[in-house]
Order: sequence, then C-alpha cells, then structure tokens
Amino acid sequence: DAKTTQPPSMDCAEGRAANLPCNHSTISGNEYVYWYRQIHSQGPQYIIHGLKNNETNEMASLIITEDRKSSTLILPHATLRDTAVYYCIVRVAGYGGSQGNLIFGKGTKLSVKP
Amino acid sequence: DAGITQSPRHKVTETGTPVTLRCHQTENHRYMYWYRQDPGHGLRLIHYSYGVKDTDKGEVSDGYSVSRSKTEDFLLTLESATSSQTSVYFCAISVDPTYEQYFGPGTRLTVT
Repeated sequence: DAKTTQPPSMDCAEGRAANLPCNHSTISGNEYVYWYRQIHSQGPQYIIHGLKNNETNEMASLIITEDRKSSTLILPHATLRDTAVYYCIVRVAGYGGSQGNLIFGKGTKLSVKP
Repeated sequence: DAGITQSPRHKVTETGTPVTLRCHQTENHRYMYWYRQDPGHGLRLIHYSYGVKDTDKGEVSDGYSVSRSKTEDFLLTLESATSSQTSVYFCAISVDPTYEQYFGPGTRLTVT
C-alpha cells in the first residue's frame, strides 16, 4: 500500500502557482519523497525528489516540513500542459530492484484552467 | 527523456496466443522494469532486471516471463495471453545513484 495521502483533486488557474500537498507521517529516516506525474495516456514522468532539504529544479520546487511528515510540490506558474495526475511516493533511495520499487497511490488530479 | 522506446505501442491479440513486448533503452542503465497499469490499481510491478540475464519477480508476475540478453533490451512475454492481461504496460529504467525511474511511452495491449 502507498505510504502517502494526497487530496484526490485540485484546480489551479493558469499562470498561478499550484501547490500540491502530501502527507507521509510514517516516513522513515532513510526514505526520500519523490514526485511523479502522469499526463493522460503517457508514461509517468519524474519531477523531483528530496530527503529533508527543500529542492528546486527546472520543473518544480519541493518543500519538506522539518519533521518530514508532509511535503508540498510547487509548480510556480502552472500551464494547461501541467494538467495531470501527480503522485507523491516515499521510498528508499540508492536501491534498484524491489527495494527501490515505486508504489503509486491514487495521486492528485490537478486541473489547470484558463 | 531517458531514451526509452517500447514496441509495439498498440496490440490486439486473441486469448491463448503468445505475446512479446519489447523495451529498448539507449543509455546502458543497469536496472529495467515492467509495470502494468489498470483502472483502480495504479501501476504494479511485474518483473525487473538488474543486469544481463539477471531478473526477478515483482508484485504481479504470474502469467508473465521476461528476458534480458542485452543491456539495452528487456522483453516481456505473455506465454498464453488471457483477457485479464488486457492493460497498459510501461517499461522503466532507473538511474544511478538515487535510482529515480524514467518511464517509456507505454504499450496498450488488448486480449480478446
């Protein structure tokens, strides 16, 4: 079972920041938070991951609370092409195979509206 | 884009026929994975490979076999397709050292 809890759906206006929350209250010390998204009919797309520090890349920013029990993915200027299902996943980093298995929950369906 | 292609992209086959799906990567990553995605179940791991001729089972491996004779190719075979194997199949690779996974475009398989 997924170890994360996400709202089932969110709306965001185009050009505004989209803030997607995730709860992972049982996260272990060696587990990272990963975010993926899946645009309709496409393969999941890796967005970002982090351990405890905030992370930023060209796609998004990841804010992890100090107690690591929750995080927020921020898309700074959402576009219509960001409409997708966003998955928050907790897993141990540094392992492939079954130890590194991604367990996808139901995710958050983000709808970006004009 | 991690240089992953899948073939075929769409296939319709009859119950009882063998089917092989191919995943090809261009960047020599050690780990490769096969997932299936069904409504209400999300993505589920079928098999994975950690090197040439090294494979292991995932969560839903029954009815599937895999082979990896070259680093760049990971094949998924349904020996005798059943209607319950109608699904979208995704291949993925994972990248050292933190092993985030990158996915291919998917193969939509329909077993009639």
